[in-house]
Amino acid sequence: GAVVSQHPSWVICKSGTSVKIECRSLDFQATTMFWYRQFPKQSLMLMATSNEGSKATYEQGVEKDKFLINHASLTLSTLTVTSAHPEDSSFYICSATQGPNQPQHFGDGTRLSIL
Amino acid sequence: QKEVEQNSGPLSVPEGAIASLNCTYSDRVSQSFFWYRQYSGKSPELIMSIYSNGDKEDGRFTAQLNKASQYVSLLIRDSQPSDSATYLCAVNGVNTGFQKLVFGTGTRLLVSP
Repeated sequence: GAVVSQHPSWVICKSGTSVKIECRSLDFQATTMFWYRQFPKQSLMLMATSNEGSKATYEQGVEKDKFLINHASLTLSTLTVTSAHPEDSSFYICSATQGPNQPQHFGDGTRLSIL
Repeated sequence: QKEVEQNSGPLSVPEGAIASLNCTYSDRVSQSFFWYRQYSGKSPELIMSIYSNGDKEDGRFTAQLNKASQYVSLLIRDSQPSDSATYLCAVNGVNTGFQKLVFGTGTRLLVSP
């Protein structure tokens, strides 16, 4: 149980392109979803917290107009990296939880490379 | 003081030994504690959840929680080379309504054959 599916797993695109990443909880309803970014050999960095039907809450230093998050249902959240540039290249990981004090279950991540 | 502290390692143990991974946290009112395993280039995978003082066992894994000492540990019995990974300790933070996880930087475990 508690499976989170994330797609695509790997994206390579040109600078200036917008990229959408989907995160789905397959067998549970996720009250909250989270988006993380991880650079090689570094810790997970939380980008934003997303609750269904509400605007996402972004961490300090994360540009909300660049990283658009939509949480349309209890099983789906999307992250759109708008006008991506090479410095946006990273490993993006989503997670989902059933509520406070519950564990977060992570998707497999999306490796984004901007040329 | 960091909110969640772990020794970065690497912790090296021979195959078959017990690996002991430790974590301390600063928020005294934290309620939920988790251990995740992360292989290089992969996303974190939940290993154990623990909510009350004492031990919780699941297969070769045992999580131990001591709220008075603000300490949580993970024991891996009969360590295997496939256990070689980074182990992340995570704590639900009261300041975030117990929604967000505060992660330690992780301990890298190396199990040699």
